Amino acid sequence: SAVISQKPSRDICQRGTSLTIQCQVDSQVTMMFWYRQQPGQSLTLIATANQGSEATYESGFVIDKFPISRPNLTFSTLTVSNMSPEDSSIYLCSVEWATGGTQETQYFGPGTRLLVL
Amino acid sequence: GESVGLHLPTLSVQEGDNSIINCAYSNSASDYFIWYKQESGKGPQFIIDIRSNMDKRQGQRVTVLLNKTVKHLSLQIAATQPGDSAVYFCAENMGAAGNKLTFGGGTRVLVKP
Repeated sequence: SAVISQKPSRDICQRGTSLTIQCQVDSQVTMMFWYRQQPGQSLTLIATANQGSEATYESGFVIDKFPISRPNLTFSTLTVSNMSPEDSSIYLCSVEWATGGTQETQYFGPGTRLLVL
Repeated sequence: GESVGLHLPTLSVQEGDNSIINCAYSNSASDYFIWYKQESGKGPQFIIDIRSNMDKRQGQRVTVLLNKTVKHLSLQIAATQPGDSAVYFCAENMGAAGNKLTFGGGTRVLVKP
């Protein structure tokens, strides 16, 4: 599968500030996604990062709070804006990748662990 | 450590026994299902997948069973090992929704030596 890295791996931030998380893939991929995993919970899709156009956000997530960039087929960023303690979560990027040339499935990066004080 | 899995249902298994993790999915139009394993401090790791035109698929020490009639998915792990301790999530691709995945609530597996 593709190798996915995220920066930073973790951070502690003050409320009211913003943090930009980077996701880098070692191969060109069409589909990239951003998820949030709140403490003790499952994964929730924030948005699909579209190359060359605006991201597609899921219900409950808005561009002003979670602006996303996708400048090319190997890189994306997610910004968590004007943070509050409720934004403390793990943020994960994923890419769609076909192994063995068959079914495309999603593979995840290691995640960014964010704590907002 | 981080709190992944703290509030999730827990399955305690003796080392060497078989584990069965269950998942109920929501959308009868879903046509593709995936099991992921998440260890503490890591992102979800792909384990095995199955398409809706199948009812069983086997991998190395793992088997996924799909019952479309009752919208139920299960993951069986044979001869559970300490390294299998993790949180396991099922995910469904909801057909017409395209590539998006919807995740189940997750199950924490604890392997007792």
